[in-house]
Amino acid sequence: EAGVVQSPRYKIIEKKQPVAFWCNPISGHNTLYWYRQNLGQGPELLIRYENEEAVDDSQLPKDRFSAERLKGVDSTLKIQPAELGDSAVYLCASSDTAPPRNTIYFGEGSWLTVV
Amino acid sequence: TQLLEQSPQFLSIQEGENLTVYCNSSSVFSSLQWYRQEPGEGPVLLVTVVTGGEVKKLKRLTFQFGDARKDSSLHITAAQTGDTGLYLCARRDTGGFKTIFGAGTRLFVKA
Repeated sequence: EAGVVQSPRYKIIEKKQPVAFWCNPISGHNTLYWYRQNLGQGPELLIRYENEEAVDDSQLPKDRFSAERLKGVDSTLKIQPAELGDSAVYLCASSDTAPPRNTIYFGEGSWLTVV
Repeated sequence: TQLLEQSPQFLSIQEGENLTVYCNSSSVFSSLQWYRQEPGEGPVLLVTVVTGGEVKKLKRLTFQFGDARKDSSLHITAAQTGDTGLYLCARRDTGGFKTIFGAGTRLFVKA
């Protein structure tokens, strides 16, 4: 079974430029997460989707970040304009069953460097 | 904001040695998870503990949940180079929907 697929794996952009990340969750997983992981830190949740609905976006910096999950499957995370502090790994994850017993499966991450 | 404290932050040991890493909080956990993240990869779930005092074993890894459910430890026996990675503990919020991670312990096992 294919895992969570993310692209691109690596992206280097200049500040003020836009960037977008794409995620394809595990087939059948209704819940999709975007996390950001700064160097030397654990992942921090940006947004959680249940199907196509964003049910928790309290940690998403909405002035420059946006996300969508059309049709409740694939998702994109966009940053516009990017700032130097946005350099991080952006992890997508998905899960199937309801908490508290659900297992979250992570993708390999998209590594963003803003110069 | 990291609500979980992990220690040590960094650990470098020789292959064959034993080690223990810790995860602490001032709050009670409903459940706690341990993940391992290898370089260039996403975190992978190792175990979930839910009962105070619970001990779970995964080959050479032993996970313990404190009696008061405020702390947890991970003990690795006879470490191997393949154990190298970032070990993250994580707790679920009350509803179970949000997973909150600690900053992790970065382990390097030398051959």
